[in-house]
Parts: sequence; structure tokens; C-alpha cells
Amino acid sequence: DTEVTQTPKHLVMGMTNKKSLKCEQHMGHRAMYWYKQKAKKPPELMFVYSYEKLSINESVPSRFSPECPNSSLLNLHLHALQPEDSALYLCASSHGRGLRAANEKLFFGSGTQLSVL
Amino acid sequence: DAKTTQPNSMESNEEEPVHLPCNHSTISGTDYIHWYRQLPSQGPEYVIHGLTSNVNNRMASLAIAEDRKSSTLILHRATLRDAAVYYCILKIDPFGGSTLGRLYFGRGTQLTVWP
Repeated sequence: DTEVTQTPKHLVMGMTNKKSLKCEQHMGHRAMYWYKQKAKKPPELMFVYSYEKLSINESVPSRFSPECPNSSLLNLHLHALQPEDSALYLCASSHGRGLRAANEKLFFGSGTQLSVL
Repeated sequence: DAKTTQPNSMESNEEEPVHLPCNHSTISGTDYIHWYRQLPSQGPEYVIHGLTSNVNNRMASLAIAEDRKSSTLILHRATLRDAAVYYCILKIDPFGGSTLGRLYFGRGTQLTVWP
């Protein structure tokens, strides 16, 4: 199983709503990532988890709150978002078990298309 | 992070070879060259990567210049399913053994394949 599964595939939310995005992998990977992709732009790194601990936060606003409850699951909690946060949110995972990071490949999910009204 | 330069778009006919160029003049000795592609409505997909030598896999070949300042992704026979945005990425390991394989994407090349 080389899949990264993201749910839901589409999400529409108001600016006062609280919602969560979910990501799951069963490849035994210990590094997991959130990326944000606006239309016709490349993906931008948001967060990196390594062994269930937050290792990198690319200065993301606090209205985005990541969580890694176990080695297979990654969540992104959303609260008080703005319309400009509408984007495709991509989850990825990589081996993260002592290999040289530059030699690792990332596996991406298909993303959650988020619209904030 | 080190930057890559790619053409915005390229076109090819089906069943013809495609050569996608990438310049990375600021590459350093431990940087790997990675290629990912993104099909419409999909997440990015790993294609190939290398350090110094040319690499082949079932999807593509990667030709790396001797000075490593440029590389070329080669699709040997383009199909309609190869139409995608192709990203050339330098994967940096600044912490000497860090397990964090993060990618920083450039703008990529939009490949159009004509039947």
C-alpha cells in the first residue's frame, strides 16, 4: 500500500466554522507534511512532523493547527479562516527513518479542495 | 533554498521523446536533483531523482550535466497521460543526515501532449 489518503476531497466552510482535514498513510513512514497550493501555483510547505512531533512550521497563521495523533494520522484543524485561505491542501509522507533526507521521496495524497466563503 | 529554472511550458506529440530541461547553477555538492509531476486534480507524484550519475527508471530517465549545474528529464515516448506540470527540485540536506525530506517547489513546466 503506497497510498496517502486525504479526506474530505472537497470542503466548503464559512469564516466562523471549525473544520478538520484528515490524512492517513500505512507505509510506516515517520515524516508527514502539509502543503498548501493555490490555483496555478506550486505547492508551498506549511508543516513537517517527524516521529509525531512538529519539526517545522513555515510561519503559518495560528488559524491553521496541525496535529499528529499517531504515526499513521495527520490532521489539520481549521478555525476562523479567510477567503484567501481557499486552496488545495496536500498531505505527504516520507520514510523519515534515518535515511539521508535529500535522498528520500515524498508520497502525496490527492488533496482536499477547500473553499472559504 | 537553492533555486531551479525551468521553461514555463513545453509541447510534444504523442509517442515522441520529450526532453524537459532544468538549470540549477547554485547547486552544492550534497544536493539531490528530484523531479515530481502533478497531473490535473492530483497531488504531486515522484518521477525520479539523482545526485551525479544519470538515472533510469520505468517512468523516465534523468541526465545530469557533468558540472551538475543543469539536468534533463527524458520521457522516452510521451503519452497523453504524461500531460502534467513537471517540477525540478533541489533537495537539500543542510543538517547532514536530517530525516526531514521536505521539498520546496519551483514554478515547474507545463507539458502539453498532442495526439
